[in-house]
Amino acid sequence: GQNIDQPTEMTATEGAIVQINCTYQTSGFNGLFWYQQHAGEAPTFLSYNVLDGLEEKGRFSSFLSRSKGYSYLLLKELQMKDSASYLCAFRSTGGFKTIFGAGTRLFVKA
Amino acid sequence: DADVTQTPRNRITKTGKRIMLECSQTKGHDRMYWYRQDPGLGLRLIYYSFDVKDINKGEISDGYSVSRQAQAKFSLSLESAIPNQTALYFCATSDRGGNQPQHFGDGTRLSIL
Repeated sequence: GQNIDQPTEMTATEGAIVQINCTYQTSGFNGLFWYQQHAGEAPTFLSYNVLDGLEEKGRFSSFLSRSKGYSYLLLKELQMKDSASYLCAFRSTGGFKTIFGAGTRLFVKA
Repeated sequence: DADVTQTPRNRITKTGKRIMLECSQTKGHDRMYWYRQDPGLGLRLIYYSFDVKDINKGEISDGYSVSRQAQAKFSLSLESAIPNQTALYFCATSDRGGNQPQHFGDGTRLSIL
């Protein structure tokens, strides 16, 4: 079957670095996405990985290991505005549906 | 103006009523999706459409129907609403290609009493 798992909540301090992990299981994999969702708002796209390795985009980086079914989102120099939910999602082959995790709520404290 | 527009933004209605949620987009994308989001469960796919003549069920389509009136419009209907359909509903679009992200509307908060 298809399954995706990420921690429910995390707390970090302003200015610090935080890593949000995601594990997934699927028989057909066609890329992994990270989205940010502030409370009461729409999810917005952060990053996409289809090959193993690290993709860096400013303060945010995303890593993928396809053999381990594992990804993480790394947020550096945390700011209060980074308090949000972070959704991990993979796209499956054969239909190109996207399966979302339940999201990780990140609280950034001063 | 928003690229993906959902109406209404909020709706409270009673059990048994028929409800239509509408979505329109100006992004020119062929692919459109309807999701519901419940606390602790994440986004779950209700229906998706890859072009005007293509409609597909998602993982939780029971109790819902959709209509793709044009490339830019995709509506979701609840024929006879029930309380466990209370949720936050999102419409999304994407361009063709497996690496293309989805672009979400601002959501419709639906409460069924």
